[in-house]
Amino acid sequence: EAGVTQSPTHLIKTRGQQVTLRCSPISGHTSVYWYQQALGLGLQFLLWYDEGEERNRGNFPPRFSGRQFPNYSSELNVNALELEDSALYLCASGDRGATNEKLFFGSGTQLSVL
Amino acid sequence: KQEVTQIPAALSVPEGENLVLNCSFTDSAIYNLQWFRQDPGKGLTSLLLIQSSQREQTSGRLNASLDKSSGRSTLYIAASQPGDSATYLCAVMDSNYQLIWGAGTKLIIKP
Repeated sequence: EAGVTQSPTHLIKTRGQQVTLRCSPISGHTSVYWYQQALGLGLQFLLWYDEGEERNRGNFPPRFSGRQFPNYSSELNVNALELEDSALYLCASGDRGATNEKLFFGSGTQLSVL
Repeated sequence: KQEVTQIPAALSVPEGENLVLNCSFTDSAIYNLQWFRQDPGKGLTSLLLIQSSQREQTSGRLNASLDKSSGRSTLYIAASQPGDSATYLCAVMDSNYQLIWGAGTKLIIKP
């Protein structure tokens, strides 16, 4: 069974550009979570999607946005990139946001903003 | 505001030793606590999940405990092996169903 897949694995952008990151959850999972892991910092919650709807949002500016498609895959969009957006972006999938669910993570997209 | 702290930030021990990683959180209103390991280039792997009503969970050489009232969890690793080398993260699910993460403990097991 395929795990959570993310693309691309690495990305280099310049300030002001826009980027789209993609995530495919484990088959059967309807929830997708996005996290940012900046160097030396803990994971910061970005967004949670379930059944195509945004369920929760972390403390990030509006230029961080996303969506979930009918097949439960998801995109994370970041507009007007800033240097501090350089980080590892991790996607995780789970089963409907249940409190007893384990999350399964992808390998992440390493974004570098120059 | 929920805050999660992991001590120590880094730990290096000889192979075969038993060891304990610590995680503390400031707000006891949690749904669960999870331990993950993060290997370079491989994302995160869920190790153990303890529901708020539970005291501990075990998986192989791993045992995690939860004391919600004191805001503490420990991850016990028995008979450590070089393959256990990784960064170990704990996270609590708060009352808003958000996972709040610690910064991790980087563990090195020396052969």
